[in-house]
Amino acid sequence: DGGITQSPKYLFRKEGQNVTLSCEQNLNHDAMYWYRQDPGQGLRLIYYSQIVNDFQKGDIAEGYSVSREKKESFPLTVTSAQKNPTAFYLCASGRRGDSYEQYFGPGTRLTVT
Amino acid sequence: KQEVTQIPAALSVPEGENLVLNCSFTDSAIYNLQWFRQDPGKGLTSLLLIQSSQREQTSGRLNASLDKSSGRSTLYIAASQPGDSATYLCAATFYGNNRLAFGKGNQVVVIP
Repeated sequence: DGGITQSPKYLFRKEGQNVTLSCEQNLNHDAMYWYRQDPGQGLRLIYYSQIVNDFQKGDIAEGYSVSREKKESFPLTVTSAQKNPTAFYLCASGRRGDSYEQYFGPGTRLTVT
Repeated sequence: KQEVTQIPAALSVPEGENLVLNCSFTDSAIYNLQWFRQDPGKGLTSLLLIQSSQREQTSGRLNASLDKSSGRSTLYIAASQPGDSATYLCAATFYGNNRLAFGKGNQVVVIP
């Protein structure tokens, strides 16, 4: 059963705490992406990775960090430096150098109070 | 700046009518364009991908066209059903940039 999994579906944290969102894919895709979605703002790219052990900042990387130690996994850490962390977070993966078609996971809704 | 625009933000149609959704982009150097569907609180489901060398793609009741010269893509959904109610997003990849640029989406309600 191929696809992208994100866990947990809902996450609650207190302000000032770091939190890590999980993203795993078994599609054998090289590229992985993290987006943030807020009402009325559309999807904004946080970080992306084209290959293991390498990643690039997207448009809104401040307050976030990532790692890519395995092809299948691309966890996102929301740090206490992120001013407005409450949002819906989406992970995606895709093939490199082909169609750049992206496939999305089910998302994690993070609420920070 | 490479931007993707979807207007209107929301629309409703009676069941059975054909649905037409428009997406415009600012750079004609488009590599491909992808249409997605998103249900409330869910991830994105890829509907159709059109490469720059293609004029259209079809899947069942869905048809998407791409006109690079005018900077537009259109998604047609034939004989709309209440189950088609969702938000539809278009996203473009441009040459020299391997990232997707997203529109803000069209929120569609099909009225039974």
